[in-house]
Amino acid sequence: NAGVTQTPKFQVLKTGQSMTLQCAQDMNHNSMYWYRQDPGMGLRLIYYSASEGTTDKGEVPNGYNVSRLNKREFSLRLESAAPSQTSVYFCASSEAPAGGGGRGYTFGSGTRLTVV
Amino acid sequence: GESVGLHLPTLSVQEGDNSIINCAYSNSASDYFIWYKQESGKGPQFIIDIRSNMDKRQGQRVTVLLNKTVKHLSLQIAATQPGDSAVYFCAERPQGNLIFGKGTKLSVKP
Repeated sequence: NAGVTQTPKFQVLKTGQSMTLQCAQDMNHNSMYWYRQDPGMGLRLIYYSASEGTTDKGEVPNGYNVSRLNKREFSLRLESAAPSQTSVYFCASSEAPAGGGGRGYTFGSGTRLTVV
Repeated sequence: GESVGLHLPTLSVQEGDNSIINCAYSNSASDYFIWYKQESGKGPQFIIDIRSNMDKRQGQRVTVLLNKTVKHLSLQIAATQPGDSAVYFCAERPQGNLIFGKGTKLSVKP
């Protein structure tokens, strides 16, 4: 019963490098989300996908792109990493948009990204 | 924009005591609220939720109270245990996606 799986768990990038954070869920959820978590800032929404085939910007989308590859997978790409993107990234999913279907969002264990 | 606030950034309690974590929300249109627990190095974990048509909901050792008049949400943990040490977030759903508070750190003293 894996839930939401994120890879990698840790990553160090140099400024200007690119990378893709992977996320997969096995709960047959329709909606998926990417958040970043910074000290004192709480969770901030980067992008979300209400259903397969759709993606939308959240609160802090600049510098990121996403792909909803299929119902299970939702990836986050940093095209040219910047030190300001140093953060912990969480992927989440829910049965229906905006946490509908009960039990809100199910989160992965996070990717700790450092950009130097 | 809307924000979800917490009255206390840190809370220290004695093992076995009851804990109360408070949250003020800002949007009277919010129809759904959730409490999450986040242990160090892990992702947030669902604890309990409540809909706006309720004022109280109980789970195992946890109770959530909702006061819509003053836009206040609280999480009560009975007989707090060392394993309850974590950061607790509240979240509200005004319209669209959930909005998360910054969190309260709960420390349990043995």
